[in-house]
Amino acid sequence: GENVEQHPSTLSVQEGDSAVIKCTYSDSASNYFPWYKQELGKRPQLIIDIRSNVGEKKDQRIAVTLNKTAKHFSLHITETQPEDSAVYFCAAAGGSEKLVFGKGTKLTVNP
Amino acid sequence: KAGVTQTPRYLIKTRGQQVTLSCSPISGHRSVSWYQQTPGQGLQFLFEYFSETQRNKGNFPGRFSGRQFSNSRSEMNVSTLELGDSALYLCASSVRPFNTEAFFGQGTRLTVV
Repeated sequence: GENVEQHPSTLSVQEGDSAVIKCTYSDSASNYFPWYKQELGKRPQLIIDIRSNVGEKKDQRIAVTLNKTAKHFSLHITETQPEDSAVYFCAAAGGSEKLVFGKGTKLTVNP
Repeated sequence: KAGVTQTPRYLIKTRGQQVTLSCSPISGHRSVSWYQQTPGQGLQFLFEYFSETQRNKGNFPGRFSGRQFSNSRSEMNVSTLELGDSALYLCASSVRPFNTEAFFGQGTRLTVV
């Protein structure tokens, strides 16, 4: 079945710096790749997603890139702010017909 | 539009007991998925229901079961609770299964003592 690996597990950056989180997936049939942000004590919320027919997608300070050949996708956050501090989860869905999540990255943005 | 509602928010149960958790999806959403969240393990898929049918199941023992009603509300049941079942249980609803945006509820925090 699908397996999603996410790195790093923790990431600490200074306010204004960029943050990059990387995920790899195992099922070449996967075609949907969402990213969720979970603030402490809150529910996960979708921040951006990408489908396999697109290589890159941007939404203000957030971008996601997808490399289907290498089976990896990445989340890029530019000009980080303290409110970006949270746990970020990548996920993949497709061949296995279920959404499989990575184990999460705890991002800390230091003022 | 009301979001995904999970009840109860918190539960404390004793080993060996059973528990039922409820999830009401967003109106019009027919797909409900359940996840177990524990520190360091992320979100582990339990099962997914669509139009009252279980479409997919994760790698959890048979003590974990679920169902979906005709109004798309879903319940999950855990029998013979173990200490290791302590976790945050999240449900997510979507218009259709697995490759569309999933909206999460706030979860039920289950503590087994």
